Amino acid sequence: AQRVTQPEKLLSVFKGAPVELKCNYSYSGSPELFWYVQYSRQRLQLLLRHISRESIKGFTADLNKGETSFHLKKPFAQEEDSAMYYCASSGSARQLTFGSGTQLTVLP
Amino acid sequence: DGGITQSPKYLFRKEGQNVTLSCEQNLNHDAMYWYRQDPGQGLRLIYYSQIVNDFQKGDIAEGYSVSREKKESFPLTVTSAQKNPTAFYLCASSSVGVGNEQFFGPGTRLTVL
Repeated sequence: AQRVTQPEKLLSVFKGAPVELKCNYSYSGSPELFWYVQYSRQRLQLLLRHISRESIKGFTADLNKGETSFHLKKPFAQEEDSAMYYCASSGSARQLTFGSGTQLTVLP
Repeated sequence: DGGITQSPKYLFRKEGQNVTLSCEQNLNHDAMYWYRQDPGQGLRLIYYSQIVNDFQKGDIAEGYSVSREKKESFPLTVTSAQKNPTAFYLCASSSVGVGNEQFFGPGTRLTVL
């Protein structure tokens, strides 16, 4: 079975500081990996997916197959980045397996 | 926001009663999903459906049932057999295919009294 681990439940950084949200996955094949975000009073929504190799709102995530990681990074955090972030993987069965989430707070 | 709706927003149930949560989408998506969200546990998949009249159990299907009679609708019934039903329930939909984005509804908070 797939597992997605987000070791930090809570993460606080100051505005302008770099931020990294950790995600590790367990899957023997080649998973599709995603980061979803839920801002306060908004719906859960896709932030980015590794297959697109895109940068959204200044966030990037690199798939490291050797370390089975897909950490989310942003060089300069903004207050509006405060939200709950979920890492998710999709294997051959196509369903998403979510991590337990990391609540990011960006302090002024 | 539009596209995928859930109702009601809040739902209260007495122990021993079944209750049905509604999920509707107008995105023309073939696949629909139900998740349960509990604090500190993330989202866990209850049931999913990739085509009308077909659905599969997810990781925590016990005590739940679904139907998929129409492409637009995927109602979830929380039965009295579900031992700990108080939770936040999220519905999602997507196009069928690996790596496709799932679009989420606003959720229903169910409380068992």
